[in-house]
Formats: sequence, structure tokens, C-alpha cells
Amino acid sequence: SQTIHQWPATLVQPVGSPLSLECTVEGTSNPNLYWYRQAAGRGLQLLFYSVGIGQISSEVPQNLSASRPQDRQFILSSKKLLLSDSGFYLCAWSQDSGNTIYFGEGSWLTVV
Amino acid sequence: SQQGEEDPQALSIQEGENATMNCSYKTSINNLQWYRQNSGRGLVHLILIRSNEREKHSGRLRVTLDTSKKSSSLLITASRAADTASYFCATVTGGGNKLTFGTGTQLKVEL
Repeated sequence: SQTIHQWPATLVQPVGSPLSLECTVEGTSNPNLYWYRQAAGRGLQLLFYSVGIGQISSEVPQNLSASRPQDRQFILSSKKLLLSDSGFYLCAWSQDSGNTIYFGEGSWLTVV
Repeated sequence: SQQGEEDPQALSIQEGENATMNCSYKTSINNLQWYRQNSGRGLVHLILIRSNEREKHSGRLRVTLDTSKKSSSLLITASRAADTASYFCATVTGGGNKLTFGTGTQLKVEL
């Protein structure tokens, strides 16, 4: 069966510090991978998606970047965090486009 | 931008009652999906309905889709306290690589 792991679960970072959130998927190959952000009490905003290694599509201009160094690894990064980057970040995968998306447990980021 | 908008934003019912949540969207879709999120957790997929389907059932869940009105509804029958969560609709459009979520309905089921 397929599983998705996302870490760290909780992170408190000072403004201006770097960020790295990691996500890996097991039990499948060539998945579509996604990073979403959820502000408190709000819906999910798609940040990045990837259909293959090195292929990253950005949905919104922002202080963040994503990379896919391996088939089942997706990394969300920032060189300098802003207060507005605080939120709940969710990694997700799907086997094919348009199908069910499976989410990780999320990472709470607080920028102070 | 949000594709789907859920209605109501919040819903409070008694255990055993039915809960109905609605979702409206703006553009043509390939399929529409409903997800559930317990507080502070990841989302869990509930049901997927394709654009050529009108109704789908899964246990106590019933989803309808009206593409002419660009709307969908999620009905939870005989609700339980454990159904307390936020429920989101999400739509797949165009090339199908993106799933766009609505703002969610917060459901509270009281004993």
C-alpha cells in the first residue's frame, strides 16, 4: 500500500531564517506531487505541483520554492521566511491526473 | 483563487440528524471530490463524482452533482459525534493536474 510521510510536524522559525519541509511517498512510482498551504480557518491554496522529477509548476507568486530531486521526494523551501509564511502546509500525491489526492498529516509552521 | 464555495460555512446539528453541505463552482469540471479534515490534521478523501455522474453513495454519504447549476451536495445521514470535522469540496479542471479546494464547511455534531 502507498504511504506519504511529511516532516517536521511542527516548526517554529524566526523571521529571515530558511525553511525546508520534506515529503516522501512510498509504494508507488511517478506520482503527481503537491504542496498546499492552509491559513487558519481557511481553505487550501495550491502552492506547487509536480508531474515528474525536476518538473515544478508554481501556482502563486511567493517567498517559497519547491524541488523534486527524486521521483518520490518533494521539498518545500524558503531562503528567508516572512511572518506571512506561517500556516499549515500539506504535501499530497495522486497516481494520475484528476484522480483522488492523498494527503500527508501536515506541518505547522509558525514564523516569529 | 477558490473554485469551489461551500455553504453553509458552519453547521451544528444533533447526533442522528442528517447534515447537508453544498458546493458551488465556477468553471467546467472533470470531476468533483469531497474531503474531510479533522482539526489540525491532513485531509481524507471521501468520495469522487465524475462530471457524467449525477449521484453517488458511500456508506452514510450521498453526493449529488448538477453540472447545469455547477453545484454539488454532500449528505451525511444519521450523523455521529465522530463526524465532527471540516468538509471540503474540490474540483479537477482542464488537464487534471490541479485539485482546487473550496473554503469548507465546519460541521459540529453534538450528543
